[in-house]
Amino acid sequence: GDSVTQMEGPVTLSEEAFLTINCTYTATGYPSLFWYVQYPGEGLQLLLKATKADDKGSNKGFEATYRKETTSFHLEKGSVQVSDSAVYFCALDPGTYKYIFGTGTRLKVLA
Amino acid sequence: EAGVAQSPRYKIIEKRQSVAFWCNPISGHATLYWYQQILGQGPKLLIQFQNNGVVDDSQLPKDRFSAERLKGVDSTLKIQPAKLEDSAVYLCASSLLEQVVGAQYFGPGTRLLVL
Repeated sequence: GDSVTQMEGPVTLSEEAFLTINCTYTATGYPSLFWYVQYPGEGLQLLLKATKADDKGSNKGFEATYRKETTSFHLEKGSVQVSDSAVYFCALDPGTYKYIFGTGTRLKVLA
Repeated sequence: EAGVAQSPRYKIIEKRQSVAFWCNPISGHATLYWYQQILGQGPKLLIQFQNNGVVDDSQLPKDRFSAERLKGVDSTLKIQPAKLEDSAVYLCASSLLEQVVGAQYFGPGTRLLVL
């Protein structure tokens, strides 16, 4: 069945460091891919999305490229801030509008 | 616009008791979802409504879980009787149109602890 695998955390970085959170997926067909962020005490917020191969989603300095050849959608940011500390979820929609989420990766950014 | 509202935010009950969660979606959103998020795991879809009708409840443990959305607006998720493994965060999400990619908006969740 369809699934999402993302790197385990926590990921701890110093402020202004480069961030990569890996996400790979298994799906038949052509899923849409998402990154959601969950700040402490809040609900999930859509961070970025990509709907077809080679699309790049971007928002708030974060980027992810839909790579069909490697079935990946890695999240990157060039310079993280303390305020980026949160849990990040990779998710896919296999075309049924029913999302499948990864297990989440906790990011801690130290000042 | 106001976001998805959920209550209560926290609930502690003993096993075999019953519990209910409430969700008020964003105004005008026809589609409503309930997810279960167990600690250390990603959210798992339990049930999806389109207006007041159930679209998909294949992952809902129907022997103990029930959900309704009688007037096509707010929704209630009930567990009766609760088990220890039901301890989780229950997330509600809504979307305006099922066909709009990436348009699910999530509430803050209800954290349930079953003792």
